[in-house]
This record gives sequence, structure tokens and C-alpha cells, in this order.
Amino acid sequence: QKEVEQNSGPLSVPEGAIASLNCTYSDRGSQSFFWYRQYSGKSPELIMFIYSNGDKEDGRFTAQLNKASQYVSLLIRDSQPSDSATYLCAVNGPSSASKIIFGSGTRLSIRP
Amino acid sequence: ETGVTQSPTHLIKTRGQQVTLRCSSQSGHNTVSWYQQALGQGPQFIFQYYREEENGRGNFPPRFSGLQFPNYSSELNVNALELDDSALYLCASSPRRSDTEAFFGQGTRLTVV
Repeated sequence: QKEVEQNSGPLSVPEGAIASLNCTYSDRGSQSFFWYRQYSGKSPELIMFIYSNGDKEDGRFTAQLNKASQYVSLLIRDSQPSDSATYLCAVNGPSSASKIIFGSGTRLSIRP
Repeated sequence: ETGVTQSPTHLIKTRGQQVTLRCSSQSGHNTVSWYQQALGQGPQFIFQYYREEENGRGNFPPRFSGLQFPNYSSELNVNALELDDSALYLCASSPRRSDTEAFFGQGTRLTVV
């Protein structure tokens, strides 16, 4: 079992709709959870982080964390073509010491 | 812009050669981590340096080594290059050791031929 699992996609969403990206993780000791956006040929860019159960909103982005289900999600409202990218879910916690463990990413495509 | 800079941006090496990649961390950040990202995969943790000491290592062979300098900049050295070492190498700096978000540089694209 992979430590962080994501559906590789591609996920195709019409412009203006809500894009929903999901991620599960295996280490119950994980404490910090991140979403990175990566455009083709570029490095990952941190867009959201969440530490506590529940929702965290930042502009058009909402991160959701459910530690009991070991599940993290990212919602993107009013999707724009510029949101087309690969979204990487990542976790960090006491069991993984100093490292951040990434999933393989979900490719999101926003169609006009 | 994250303030993390890496050099060079692109590099082509021959199998068996050695390579050194460099990273300048963001001002105020004392922790640097290195990651390898193969095409279509997420970044894989190589190691982390905190105040010039190695602070955790991923599942990479000893031919991957590193250094951190007093100004918190860092180097990644790879000896005896193999074709599978072709990847994007990412440096990330953090304001604190572990359990915090990391900010990535633009990466170095290494091609081994």
C-alpha cells in the first residue's frame, strides 16, 4: 500500500464548476497535510496546508481533513483554465520524521 | 517566487560521472530538503539538513550525499550516475525542522545519457 494515494486522473471539469481532488494516507501518526500545485515542467507550489480536522478555506480553495478516515481533499470553486495542473497531496508527521511524503498527483484539466 | 534558488537549471551528464547540484535557501530558513521527482511521479525524499547536520534520509543509496553550509545553502552530490538518476531534483527550504510546510526552488533537470 502506498503511503499517500491519489487518483492519477486526468480529472476534467468545466470552467466555473467545482473541482474535487481526493487523497488518502496510511500513517495514522501524520499531523500535517499539504496540497501543492505543479504546472508542467515547473516545481511544486504550496497552495494549502491543514493540521486539524475539518475545513480550511482560502479564496477559491478549501482543504478538508478527516483523520479518522485518513482522508484529505481539496475543493476548487469557480474553476479557471489556469487551475489546469497536477495537484500533489503530501503529508508529514512524527512517524515520517523530517520528510514530507508525496502522492503521485492528480492531473486536473479545466475545459472552457 | 519562493526565494529558494537552484543551480544549474538543466544539466546533461554521462553515466558513471559525478554531479553537484546547488541550492540557496530562503532567507530565515535553516532547514533544507532534497527531493527527486521522476516523470509522472511525486517527489521522493532524499534527505534533509538542519543546521549543517543530516536530519533524516530517504531510501536512496550512499552515492547520494549532501552538505549544508553555515549560511544554510546546500549541495546534493551524486556519484556514479545511472540512467535512472535522470529526474527533476528539487530543493525545499523550511523555517523549522520537520512538521512544517516546505517551499521549493525551481528545480534542476538532470539528464543522464
